Amino acid sequence: AAGVIQSPRHLIKEKRETATLKCYPIPRHDTVYWYQQGPGQDPQFLISFYEKMQSDKGSIPDRFSAQQFSDYHSELNMSSLELGDSALYFCASSELGLAGEETQYFGPGTRLLVL
Amino acid sequence: GQNIDQPTEMTATEGAIVQINCTYQTSGFNGLFWYQQHAGEAPTFLSYNVLDGLEEKGRFSSFLSRSKGYSYLLLKELQMKDSASYLCAVRPSTDSWGKLQFGAGTQVVVTP
Repeated sequence: AAGVIQSPRHLIKEKRETATLKCYPIPRHDTVYWYQQGPGQDPQFLISFYEKMQSDKGSIPDRFSAQQFSDYHSELNMSSLELGDSALYFCASSELGLAGEETQYFGPGTRLLVL
Repeated sequence: GQNIDQPTEMTATEGAIVQINCTYQTSGFNGLFWYQQHAGEAPTFLSYNVLDGLEEKGRFSSFLSRSKGYSYLLLKELQMKDSASYLCAVRPSTDSWGKLQFGAGTQVVVTP
């Protein structure tokens, strides 16, 4: 079965540079979530989109922005990178089940290292 | 605030059973999820409970008591490949969709 695709899988940047992370959801999934997972920490919710509109916002810095495009893929743009932005960035996609419940399926993640 | 608590680490022998407990206090509740995560990899969906009771899926079972804010994940017939972190996550929402709030994860170590 098709899974969530994220690119790139690994990214090395220097402080104050910018980075763009891409997420391609499972076909027919209309909702995308972005999470950040620091070393040894649990995933923290950043932002989500439903039908190309922002649906919720979590602890996302103002330096970050994101959007969902007409083909439902999503991009997370990160500017003025800081050392503390080094983390695993997961994208999850979802659709509502027959009973109206939603399950999120995670992509393999992008490991960002800021030097 | 939102609190999701689970033990940090558990060790068990291959072929044994391990039960991972999770307690939560959230402002809302619309489902509890268990994910398995191997180091450096994506969380993999294991189970979902929204109503009280036990959900069984092969070697894995998950239980929920909403009145007690309590869930457990039961892993039976442990295999070496089950060594991983197990994340308890709650959807703190009145809707059946939305962001997940994760616990810190329980590292399960399976020994021969």
